[in-house]
Amino acid sequence: GAVVSQHPSWVICKSGTSVKIECRSLDFQATTMFWYRQFPKQSLMLMATSNEGSKATYEQGVEKDKFLINHASLTLSTLTVTSAHPEDSSFYICSAMTGRGTNEKLFFGSGTQLSVL
Amino acid sequence: DAKTTQPPSMDCAEGRAANLPCNHSTISGNEYVYWYRQIHSQGPQYIIHGLKNNETNEMASLIITEDRKSSTLILPHATLRDTAVYYCIVGNGNKLVFGAGTILRVKS
Repeated sequence: GAVVSQHPSWVICKSGTSVKIECRSLDFQATTMFWYRQFPKQSLMLMATSNEGSKATYEQGVEKDKFLINHASLTLSTLTVTSAHPEDSSFYICSAMTGRGTNEKLFFGSGTQLSVL
Repeated sequence: DAKTTQPPSMDCAEGRAANLPCNHSTISGNEYVYWYRQIHSQGPQYIIHGLKNNETNEMASLIITEDRKSSTLILPHATLRDTAVYYCIVGNGNKLVFGAGTILRVKS
């Protein structure tokens, strides 16, 4: 299947700093990528839809100034957690759409575990 | 997006078939049924999807009822490595919204 690469796998940072997470589609172009967040023992929660060349669309309750999304190319979307605080500690996962019509499906990255001290 | 209902957990003996049910009574005509699974601390893995016909691939089979209000994911010969959270999602491929899923425990 298609490969979505996410980096880094885990990151520890100090409170108040910013952290950037990269999501790349390795063998296909993705005009749309999605960012999810997952807290321990909970399901994935969709944060935003990242659109190549345009602004991201955020889900209700997600602060766009807190979670900056940039989708500058067809193979790369980045999520920057700005001024991170301990409550931002979570598992962040990206996904990208591939295929057309009946073969359309999402593939997910391996996730990034963020720990804010 | 239509919502889905899955049992919170299921057990299955190693080597036996695992049958995971999903109810999606409000599914609309152009929405697909997708199944993903997530092993601890990893991203979700695509398993299979379908619109109205039954589907089979190297991982699993998907049985969708004629009225499309429910479906069953079948892992024909479960192994210990199939222990995971299984998510049934309906949508058009874009913007998939995850429910709570089913924790499948495969036991030896």
